Amino acid sequence: GESVGLHLPTLSVQEGDNSIINCAYSNSASDYFIWYKQESGKGPQFIIDIRSNMDKRQGQRVTVLLNKTVKHLSLQIAATQPGDSAVYFCAEKQGGGFKTIFGAGTRLFVKA
Amino acid sequence: ETGVTQTPRHLVMGMTNKKSLKCEQHLGHNAMYWYKQSAKKPLELMFVYNFKEQTENNSVPSRFSPECPNSSHLFLHLHTLQPEDSALYLCASSQETIRGAEAFFGQGTRLTVV
Repeated sequence: GESVGLHLPTLSVQEGDNSIINCAYSNSASDYFIWYKQESGKGPQFIIDIRSNMDKRQGQRVTVLLNKTVKHLSLQIAATQPGDSAVYFCAEKQGGGFKTIFGAGTRLFVKA
Repeated sequence: ETGVTQTPRHLVMGMTNKKSLKCEQHLGHNAMYWYKQSAKKPLELMFVYNFKEQTENNSVPSRFSPECPNSSHLFLHLHTLQPEDSALYLCASSQETIRGAEAFFGQGTRLTVV
């Protein structure tokens, strides 16, 4: 069936280092992918998205990479800061549909 | 502030109680959603409304009853819940197009069933 999963449940990085969070998806029909950040006591917050006609998209300190051949998605955070500590979710959906499938989430710890 | 407001933020209810969760979005979006988030499961989609019409019901037990009186407001009516229904209930909205769009989430209602 459809599934979105994360390779690592937790990730601990030193402040200033780069972070990479990975995600695998299984639905070949998905054409829109989103990364969300959820801080304690808050709802998920949009970080960056990418559509299936692209393989890379950059935002402010974040980059999302999409490899459709192996159905893999990654989020790279440059110069990780303590404020980046949160749970990160990848999500997939089909354009025109309403159903978003979320991965299990990765908790990122940033050590000062 | 995401433009999606949920009340109450915390709710404790007994198994025989009836309560309602409220969500309001100030973004002019066409779609609204209820999600359940528990400690050991990914975000689970419960219901979807598009322009007030329910388009998705993800096999949710009937003790959860959604209501969408207009495209800005969404309710989740709760009745005879079980302790395993304790979770964070998140409301979201999006402006859906054929290309897909991200969702904007509220801060959630932390529900405890005793």
